[in-house]
Formats: sequence, C-alpha cells, structure tokens
Amino acid sequence: DVKVTQSSRYLVKRTGEKVFLECVQDMDHENMFWYRQDPGLGLRLIYFSYDVKMKEKGDIPEGYSVSREKKERFSLILESASTNQTSMYLCASSFLFWTGDHEQYFGPGTRLTVT
Amino acid sequence: AQSVTQLGSHVSVSEGALVLLRCNYSSSVPPYLFWYVQYPNQGLQLLLKYTTGATLVKGINGFEAEFKKSETSFHLTKPSAHMSDAAEYFCAVSDLVTSGSRLTFGEGTQLTVNP
Repeated sequence: DVKVTQSSRYLVKRTGEKVFLECVQDMDHENMFWYRQDPGLGLRLIYFSYDVKMKEKGDIPEGYSVSREKKERFSLILESASTNQTSMYLCASSFLFWTGDHEQYFGPGTRLTVT
Repeated sequence: AQSVTQLGSHVSVSEGALVLLRCNYSSSVPPYLFWYVQYPNQGLQLLLKYTTGATLVKGINGFEAEFKKSETSFHLTKPSAHMSDAAEYFCAVSDLVTSGSRLTFGEGTQLTVNP
C-alpha cells in the first residue's frame, strides 16, 4: 500500500514563527503536492514538485515556500506564520501523468492553528 | 482552464436509500476524472477513477460513477446508503494536455446518512 505520512497531525504556532511541515512518501512517486483545505473552498494547491529540487507554484503560493532535497520528502515552509494560515494542510504524491495512473495519494493532514 | 462543479454542498439521505452526488466538469480535451472520499480528520482516499475505456466505473465500498461526455458529467452513485458512508466527497479532473499531473478539485459535497 502507498503510504504518505505527515510529520504532525495537530500543530499550534504563534504569529511570526517559522513553521515546517514535512511529508514523506514510500512509493517512489515523482510528483508531490501541498494543498490547504478550508471549509467551503475545497482543496487549493499551494506548490507541487515533479522532481528533486524542482518546484512549481500552485494557485495560492503567497506566504509559503517548499523544499525537496530527496525524492521521498517534500517540505512546506511558512516563513512567518500568520493567523490567516490557520488551516488543514494536506500532502499528496503521484506518478508522472504519462504513466496513466497519476491519481494522487494523500497523507492524513496537519491541522495548523496560528494564534 | 479546467473546472469542476459539485452540485449541492450538503446531501442528506436515509440509510438504505440511493446516494447520488453530482459532478460536472469543464475540459477542452478528454478528461481523467476522479472521486475521492474524506472521513473526519483524515486525508482523502481514492474511491474510483475514469481514464479511458468503459464509461461506467466501479469503485470501492459499492460506489460507481458514469462518465457522460455529452453531459460533461461524472456523477457518483451507490444503490443503498450505509451509515459509514457519511463523509465529504470530492470530484476532481485532470487532462494530459493542460494540467499534466495536477488535479482540479470541486468544492466537495458533505454526505449525511440518517438512520
């Protein structure tokens, strides 16, 4: 079974803190994604990566950065956390689209609260 | 650009009744279509997917969906609802031309199953 793990299920941080969210997948997937999920807004893509050290902006990259130093690990960084970044953060991974089987596999999520 | 519309942010059914969750998509090229389920405080789990071939797709937990190109729809059905089906359901679309590995998600439909 594909397994995508996230470093924390629940996290509470203060405004202005630097926050790291980590995601690890064990299926040798090329793609990795970070989403945030808010009520009524569905899933919104923050960043994704299709290879080590490669990254692409998603729909809402402002206030976030990412790092992918190893194929299995994708980190989301909030340089200076703000209250409007309180949300559920979901990591996902998939094979590249030309394999045909490019469905995304999700981690359990990290519920981040910024106070 | 692709888009997904899920009609009805909340759907309520009785246990044993038909479940019908609606999804319409917009895509200028042949789409890949997905349904995901999210149980409380968990990540998303793939229910089923349409890539090519048979338009009626069967998934896990007794769910199925039919791809109707003429109606640009991919509605999710289950003949008889069970209490354990209560969750949020997301429809998603991708295509190999404009989005590659990226999925565009609908805003989700919360399914309530009443005893």
